Amino acid sequence: DTGVSQNPRHKITKRGQNVTFRCDPISEHNRLYWYRQTLGQGPEFLTYFQNEAQLEKSRLLSDRFSAERPKGSFSTLEIQRTEQGDSAMYLCASSPGTGYNSPLHFGNGTRLTVT
Amino acid sequence: GENVEQHPSTLSVQEGDSAVIKCTYSDSASNYFPWYKQELGKRPQLIIDIRSNVGEKKDQRIAVTLNKTAKHFSLHITETQPEDSAVYFCAAMENYGGATNKLIFGTGTLLAVQP
Repeated sequence: DTGVSQNPRHKITKRGQNVTFRCDPISEHNRLYWYRQTLGQGPEFLTYFQNEAQLEKSRLLSDRFSAERPKGSFSTLEIQRTEQGDSAMYLCASSPGTGYNSPLHFGNGTRLTVT
Repeated sequence: GENVEQHPSTLSVQEGDSAVIKCTYSDSASNYFPWYKQELGKRPQLIIDIRSNVGEKKDQRIAVTLNKTAKHFSLHITETQPEDSAVYFCAAMENYGGATNKLIFGTGTLLAVQP
């Protein structure tokens, strides 16, 4: 399968714990995006990378959230001191690059439940 | 930044009828408008997209129209089938200084096709 891969698929954690998710984009895709989706809503932008550079971070993202893409390939999203409001589906997407209107290809997501 | 509104939030049609979903966007610089289909528990999947230099695009039973002046675009599904039942999201790609940025999504339309 050469699609976007996300791990784990599900994560249940207690409030206050730290969690880390991983995303492996489609090979040679330069752009990598993180979105969050709650029930009944569209994907909400969190952050994106062009290769290893983080180009934008949503103002909605608190300081408890951090993302990295150290070698311009896979990416990790860490949430520190989780809160119940962090419960959501975290989607990763990749695209070929800055070419004119490159489609985003999504992974299956990581569903986070904070108890 | 870009803002995308989508209507209706739910749509129920009889099998064989047509379905139309409408979206509006706020930023006249946006130049790429994809539509995604998301089945329950699955990833959003691109079904059709349109670029700002085109007014209409068709792919078998689905079509998208774009009115740049009014800043709205629509998805049309003809001869609906039960397997078309899903949540559909429209999106607009921000474009700053000629560089594509990120996709902003609408809130989704739950389409139910009654057999």
